[in-house]
Amino acid sequence: NAGVTQTPKFQVLKTGQSMTLQCAQDMNHNSMYWYRQDPGMGLRLIYYSASEGTTDKGEVPNGYNVSRLNKREFSLRLESAAPSQTSVYFCASNIRSNTGELFFGEGSRLTVL
Amino acid sequence: GENVEQHPSTLSVQEGDSAVIKCTYSDSASNYFPWYKQELGKRPQLIIDIRSNVGEKKDQRIAVTLNKTAKHFSLHITETQPEDSAVYFCAAGDSGYSTLTFGKGTMLLVSP
Repeated sequence: NAGVTQTPKFQVLKTGQSMTLQCAQDMNHNSMYWYRQDPGMGLRLIYYSASEGTTDKGEVPNGYNVSRLNKREFSLRLESAAPSQTSVYFCASNIRSNTGELFFGEGSRLTVL
Repeated sequence: GENVEQHPSTLSVQEGDSAVIKCTYSDSASNYFPWYKQELGKRPQLIIDIRSNVGEKKDQRIAVTLNKTAKHFSLHITETQPEDSAVYFCAAGDSGYSTLTFGKGTMLLVSP
């Protein structure tokens, strides 16, 4: 039982390049989330998926797109990376939106040069 | 939308002292208040949560109190230990919404 798994753990991009962060959970959770963490800014929600087939914008969605591929997988795409997107990204899931513990992945550290 | 303010941003205590972290929230509809601990380089993990029908909840050395009238809630850690050193995040949400709003975090440093 791996919990929430996200890849890659580290990535360096050049400005303008694209990439996709992958996230999968094996806990049969309905809801999945993507957060970014920057020093002094806490955890800010980028996008979330309350259930399979739905996605919604969070607090800081600009420059990102998401896909809920199936119940297990939720990916985050940067179409044209910018230095302002340098951050640590966390995927999380819970059984149902806002009803209990969020389980986080290990994080993905992204640097955009 | 919800706004969560967290204070202090850093807190240094001696081992054995108590530590208190405070949060305020803006949306009176919020009814769920979790606290997450993030050790250096690790993922955030839930340590305790409280719902609005409860004023206080304890789990060994940690406790959370909630004042719905004043819209604030606090995390209390007693008999602190070096392994309590971490960043602590409060959050607030409502079962009618889909997401939590997090505070900006408090870095707790416990010196031996």
